[in-house]
Amino acid sequence: DAGVIQSPRHEVTEMGQEVTLRCKPISGHDYLFWYRQTMMRGLELLIYFNNNVPIDDSGMPEDRFSAKMPNASFSTLKIQPSEPRDSAVYFCASSPGQGIGYGYTFGSGTRLTVV
Amino acid sequence: AQSVTQLGSHVSVSEGALVLLRCNYSSSVPPYLFWYVQYPNQGLQLLLKYTTGATLVKGINGFEAEFKKSETSFHLTKPSAHMSDAAEYFCAALQGNRDDKIIFGKGTRLHILP
Repeated sequence: DAGVIQSPRHEVTEMGQEVTLRCKPISGHDYLFWYRQTMMRGLELLIYFNNNVPIDDSGMPEDRFSAKMPNASFSTLKIQPSEPRDSAVYFCASSPGQGIGYGYTFGSGTRLTVV
Repeated sequence: AQSVTQLGSHVSVSEGALVLLRCNYSSSVPPYLFWYVQYPNQGLQLLLKYTTGATLVKGINGFEAEFKKSETSFHLTKPSAHMSDAAEYFCAALQGNRDDKIIFGKGTRLHILP
């Protein structure tokens, strides 16, 4: 298995532009998580899905952020419009079932820079 | 709510010395605990996990951690540090009674001195 695949690896965009981050979870994993990592705040859970359904989006910072999972093999995190404070590394992770005993498998992340 | 506290955002040890990274959790119910490692420009990788049973857990790369309920701790150790251990380490726990959302500590960056 290729693991959790995220694209792009790096994204530089101008303030006000729309940004879309993509994630392909491991086949057969029922859970998908989006995290944001910054020096100041560490790892923050933004949203997670179970069987393509959003379960908890309480970590989504503002209405500018939205996430979708149209099918079991693909998810997107969209920021519209983007702002410089959105600059961070965004990680996607997946899990084969409920968290007990499994932990998560993380992708390599997307480094977003908003100028 | 469940929380995880890692003591020391940076830890430096000499190559060959003992590595000790501290983690404490707060929970009213027995948690499930994890240690993850993040190498530069990479995602997080599971080092080891405690669910039930033996309180001393062995992980990859020679690391181990001991669950101590009386101290609400889950410290990570390695007898002899190697240069390749330089990375950021995250302690994590399942949140409360829910079994599908892991809460991460803020991380400890481990520096290995030659």
